[in-house]
Amino acid sequence: SQQGEEDPQALSIQEGENATMNCSYKTSINNLQWYRQNSGRGLVHLILIRSNEREKHSGRLRVTLDTSKKSSSLLITASRAADTASYFCATDPGSNYQLIWGAGTKLIIKP
Amino acid sequence: KAGVTQTPRYLIKTRGQQVTLSCSPISGHRSVSWYQQTPGQGLQFLFEYFSETQRNKGNFPGRFSGRQFSNSRSEMNVSTLELGDSALYLCASSRAGTGNSYEQYFGPGTRLTVT
Repeated sequence: SQQGEEDPQALSIQEGENATMNCSYKTSINNLQWYRQNSGRGLVHLILIRSNEREKHSGRLRVTLDTSKKSSSLLITASRAADTASYFCATDPGSNYQLIWGAGTKLIIKP
Repeated sequence: KAGVTQTPRYLIKTRGQQVTLSCSPISGHRSVSWYQQTPGQGLQFLFEYFSETQRNKGNFPGRFSGRQFSNSRSEMNVSTLELGDSALYLCASSRAGTGNSYEQYFGPGTRLTVT
């Protein structure tokens, strides 16, 4: 069963704007990970944030984690056309060697 | 370091046939996970292997099976193919040992079409 739920399902913004995607989950986790997928290809790992961390940065990406609300957000600043992709969150419950995936947010950056 | 490789990249099969997909993980990675991805369904977990042992299996029928070899390479097999098995099959490797607290590295996938 899928634990992560991304919101929104789709997002279309102008190049240069910021994009925010949210992920909610249901059970306790060891960590939460964000991945990007371009056009039905393999996924690329973006950021891993552990349950004892609240915020993490990587270049133009900022991830926050609120374990009390069981939610995370991914912020992409100064978006570029190359950021057009689907973004997935995945949670590690730490108990069964399996990441639990959300259905993803489809992000479109308009030039 | 070479990335995760999957073969073949594309496959067209007929209902009732069987298929074997192959995955070579990143050197040094001992954990391999398999996923099925269909439009609008996200990633559905098939199974995870570590040191030739299946540690977890997703909610798929017994027609889906897999194995891992001593060099960490993995194969998955789908027997008696159905139209609904048409999907992108993704393999991912990880440094994960006793837990799963590491990022996964994905291959490009095998796109299977069942006619």
